[in-house]
Amino acid sequence: QSALTQPRSVSGSPGQSVTISCTGTSSDIGGYNYVSWYQHHPGKAPKVMIYDVNKRPSGVPDRFSGSKSGNTASLTISGLQAADEADYYCCSYAGSYTWVFGAGTKLTVL
Amino acid sequence: QVQLQESGPGLVKPSETLSLTCIVSGGSTSSYYWTWIRQSPGKGLEWIGYIYYNGNTNYNPSLKSRVTMSIDMSKNQFSLNLRSVTAADTAVYYCARCKPPSWFDPWGQGTLVTVSS
Repeated sequence: QSALTQPRSVSGSPGQSVTISCTGTSSDIGGYNYVSWYQHHPGKAPKVMIYDVNKRPSGVPDRFSGSKSGNTASLTISGLQAADEADYYCCSYAGSYTWVFGAGTKLTVL
Repeated sequence: QVQLQESGPGLVKPSETLSLTCIVSGGSTSSYYWTWIRQSPGKGLEWIGYIYYNGNTNYNPSLKSRVTMSIDMSKNQFSLNLRSVTAADTAVYYCARCKPPSWFDPWGQGTLVTVSS
């Protein structure tokens, strides 16, 4: 299992949209529709924002959306807010009840 | 609302065993999968493994030879043992509830474990 590849950082101004990519292989992202995304404010518990590629848990704003094409998944955050500044991690099911995470992307709201 | 809290020593000597416990409050450990995830300094998250409420386990192949998980439903908690630790095992360790294959939620706040003599 190799970690999923994410950009180290992305940034955007309030109100803008940003997209974070997450690249894996046919053994994880490409093989299953079970990609999830987690928001992590340092010192706090990570929080699931997207699961099953594009589903939002109750309480997560519809400004957060997910998609997948081939071996790459994406998280898009529209209408950026200062509170969105955090680290974001992707995760994919990798078969046989195992999972692989990404290295994380630091989102800066300018 | 289910909440998780990790507990255990913050410092472990090389070659010894790292032992952590996750206490579950606001809900029961029954009928769910419970998992451990870690983040080494400057690195991403790494799934360590899970334990089902009936005691079934599955571990990351890269750690399988050194990991043991257990669950105590009477105390509403589950535990992680990682043997023969080295500096590479220094990390923030998180416990989380798992809904396979979809998501991990909620998570604990994490506990830093440093491996050093």
